[in-house]
Amino acid sequence: AQSVSQHNHHVILSEAASLELGCNYSYGGTVNLFWYVQYPGQHLQLLLKYFSGDPLVKGIKGFEAEFIKSKFSFNLRKPSVQWSDTAEYFCAVNRDDSWGKLQFGAGTQVVVTP
Amino acid sequence: GAGVSQSPRYKVTKRGQDVALRCDPISGHVSLYWYRQALGQGPEFLTYFNYEAQQDKSGLPNDRFSAERPEGSISTLTIQRTEQRDSAMYRCASSLSSGGNEQYFGPGTRLTVT
Repeated sequence: AQSVSQHNHHVILSEAASLELGCNYSYGGTVNLFWYVQYPGQHLQLLLKYFSGDPLVKGIKGFEAEFIKSKFSFNLRKPSVQWSDTAEYFCAVNRDDSWGKLQFGAGTQVVVTP
Repeated sequence: GAGVSQSPRYKVTKRGQDVALRCDPISGHVSLYWYRQALGQGPEFLTYFNYEAQQDKSGLPNDRFSAERPEGSISTLTIQRTEQRDSAMYRCASSLSSGGNEQYFGPGTRLTVT
């Protein structure tokens, strides 16, 4: 069974539109949560992370994500996207029963048109 | 400072040959991870090390795959008797420790088995 689910595989939107990417995980224990981004031709980079505390976390480039424990979700948002946000986005979960490994979702390819 | 480096960046090999993929982590990082990413999928955990000790190899698909990190720094992932299904992007990451910390990824090695 898929441990980390990303709701959309491909998203196409225009510049200045708002973006929300869904991520759900299936684990009842303690988790650390991450969003990684891969720009064309580049390697995976950390966008933001949640370990504890305020469930609304802010990352680089205007991205933010909200951890909703009751829904096992960690959705990524950006109010107004730019062409340069075209990339593949991966949600990842680190579980307290296996701290050593990240479990990734399948990724969402986001294309922003000018 | 330097990030995670991997070599070679691209490797084409014939079925049945052995390949060795190298990862040089960020200096001072205790933990090193190997992932495999098939096209259209998120990275999938293979194995990880704390210092030179292999902590978890549960993701290695079969006994043709092995990894080592003899001096607690550079790591080598070896695939023996390669098969076409081994074709994928192999990603290495490192982190300060394995306690659920963020992982920093290298550029990956694209392996193609013909």
